[in-house]
Amino acid sequence: DAKTTQPNSMESNEEEPVHLPCNHSTISGTDYIHWYRQLPSQGPEYVIHGLTSNVNNRMASLAIAEDRKSSTLILHRATLRDAAVYYCIRHNNDMRFGAGTRLTVKP
Amino acid sequence: EAQVTQNPRYLITVTGKKLTVTCSQNMNHEYMSWYRQDPGLGLRQIYYSMNVEVTDKGDVPEGYKVSRKEKRNFPLILESPSPNQTSLYFCASSPPDRWHGYTFGSGTRLTVV
Repeated sequence: DAKTTQPNSMESNEEEPVHLPCNHSTISGTDYIHWYRQLPSQGPEYVIHGLTSNVNNRMASLAIAEDRKSSTLILHRATLRDAAVYYCIRHNNDMRFGAGTRLTVKP
Repeated sequence: EAQVTQNPRYLITVTGKKLTVTCSQNMNHEYMSWYRQDPGLGLRQIYYSMNVEVTDKGDVPEGYKVSRKEKRNFPLILESPSPNQTSLYFCASSPPDRWHGYTFGSGTRLTVV
């Protein structure tokens, strides 16, 4: 049971921002929210994580709702290399992956 | 370079022939885990280990064994492989807290005929 809900797929145009949503309505107070992505023929790759506050790094931004029941991964300018499956995960001493969101980036 | 190394990358074997997929990490991570990935089913956890000599079942442990005799190594053992274990396997490691992310290996594609 992954305990997160994400859309199966999303599309974006190159160089436009992308907002990938995730619902984790049963999250506990000690669960971190992690995001990974998996490029074709590769292992999952860590993207970003957070607990309560919004987070930024060189790859993306993570916006966490005030009640922590949802979060959004933001890619500020999508490139063709960002086409991947994106996983939102509750990290509570262990990680269960759901089906993720397959992001397609159109030139 | 910090990494998780899996071997082999590709393996074709016959039903019932014991095999081991090795996983090694050079980051001194306490936590290690094995996943399998199948079309339409996503990544499912097979076994994980919180530290040396400590292993626990994940969601799909049947048909697999693991051992954690050293911190850096976490081999996955298939004593009697069957065709339904044909899959893409990933090993991952991390520090023992929720603050850190996992580092994954490049994967092992196993075919059992």
